[in-house]
Amino acid sequence: AQKVTQAQTEISVVEKEDVTLDCVYETRDTTYYLFWYKQPPSGELVFLIRRNSFDEQNEISGRYSWNFQKSTSSFNFTITASQVVDSAVYFCALSVFSGNTPLVFGKGTRLSVIA
Amino acid sequence: DTGVSQDPRHKITKRGQNVTFRCDPISEHNRLYWYRQTLGQGPEFLTYFQNEAQLEKSRLLSDRFSAERPKGSFSTLEIQRTEQGDSAMYLCASSLVTGIAVNEQFFGPGTRLTVL
Repeated sequence: AQKVTQAQTEISVVEKEDVTLDCVYETRDTTYYLFWYKQPPSGELVFLIRRNSFDEQNEISGRYSWNFQKSTSSFNFTITASQVVDSAVYFCALSVFSGNTPLVFGKGTRLSVIA
Repeated sequence: DTGVSQDPRHKITKRGQNVTFRCDPISEHNRLYWYRQTLGQGPEFLTYFQNEAQLEKSRLLSDRFSAERPKGSFSTLEIQRTEQGDSAMYLCASSLVTGIAVNEQFFGPGTRLTVL
């Protein structure tokens, strides 16, 4: 069975601080995909990134960066110089096999960025 | 570019009533997924379709739940004899699967169900 754990339920930071959201996953499959989604107050899930199990390169996209470490089964997400618009619930998710199978989500981390 | 749409956005019903939700995926997407999200939790998978074929149903999907995607386009999710525990946000997502390419799932705004 697959499992995704986001141990941080809520995080509050002051604007311009850096913040890291943790994600730990469990699967016995050797081929899998990891995702991050953002759920703003409006409620609609927004895709942020996809990573496959064979690609451990870190990725940076603007103020967002992701650190994938298979040795610790972690896929952490860092926001640099946080902004109020980053306030949302962030979900880490896992999909095994082809990556097009149903997603297994963590419980999410609610991020509040205070001006 | 039209995203995933869901109807209705909100539904309030009395325990024991039947409800039906509709999802219209992005037009060229062949995969359609249903998830359920309760307060403070991540979405949980219910069922998914490849075109009109239902590929998998979660153990969460009791006999009171049924989903269809009759022509491989829109999908409906019906809950019969609703219970208070069915109160949740029901999310629909779609994706385009071609060969081995992995594509993200695009989510709709959800239907919030409240069972009184």
